[in-house]
Amino acid sequence: AQKVTQAQTEISVVEKEDVTLDCVYETRDTTYYLFWYKQPPSGELVFLIRRNSFDEQNEISGRYSWNFQKSTSSFNFTITASQVVDSAVYFCALSEDNAGNMLTFGGGTRLMVKP
Amino acid sequence: EAEVAQSPRYKITEKSQAVAFWCDPISGHATLYWYRQILGQGPELLVQFQDESVVDDSQLPKDRFSAERLKGVDSTLKIQPAELGDSAMYLCASSPVGGGYQETQYFGPGTRLLVL
Repeated sequence: AQKVTQAQTEISVVEKEDVTLDCVYETRDTTYYLFWYKQPPSGELVFLIRRNSFDEQNEISGRYSWNFQKSTSSFNFTITASQVVDSAVYFCALSEDNAGNMLTFGGGTRLMVKP
Repeated sequence: EAEVAQSPRYKITEKSQAVAFWCDPISGHATLYWYRQILGQGPELLVQFQDESVVDDSQLPKDRFSAERLKGVDSTLKIQPAELGDSAMYLCASSPVGGGYQETQYFGPGTRLLVL
């Protein structure tokens, strides 16, 4: 069965520091998608990125970057030069080919960026 | 930018009462999902619709929960009777036609339910 683990429940950094959020997944499928969502205090889950299992290229979007490594079943998320507005709970999620479009979420990592 | 709409945003009810939540997906999105998110945890899927048909409701506690999407557009999730353990955030999401595993799901703001 699929599983997503976010071992860091809470991280606190000072503004402008870089921070990496870890995500480790388990799946028996060879075809799957990985996602990151941001949940600010307002509660809405905001889509950040989708990555398929055949594309291991790292991706950068502004201050955000993602490192996908199939060898270690990890899909880590780095925020460079963090800002107070980055404070939120971040969720990693997995969608398997054999599970329709059901998303399996990790437990989330609460990021607090202090000024 | 198109968004998923949900109402109410907050609901306080007493144990054994009935509650209902409404969701309007992004226009043109055929697939609709209801998730429950307990405080401090990730969301868990309750039910998935493709148009007006239920695709997956294996995690829906059917003795007290029901969901419908009669015309394949907006949807209602009902709890009757509510129990203390139902206190959670209820999130609605939608994805484009097909609802394949690779489709991105877009979430609404959620309904925070507190059962007293």
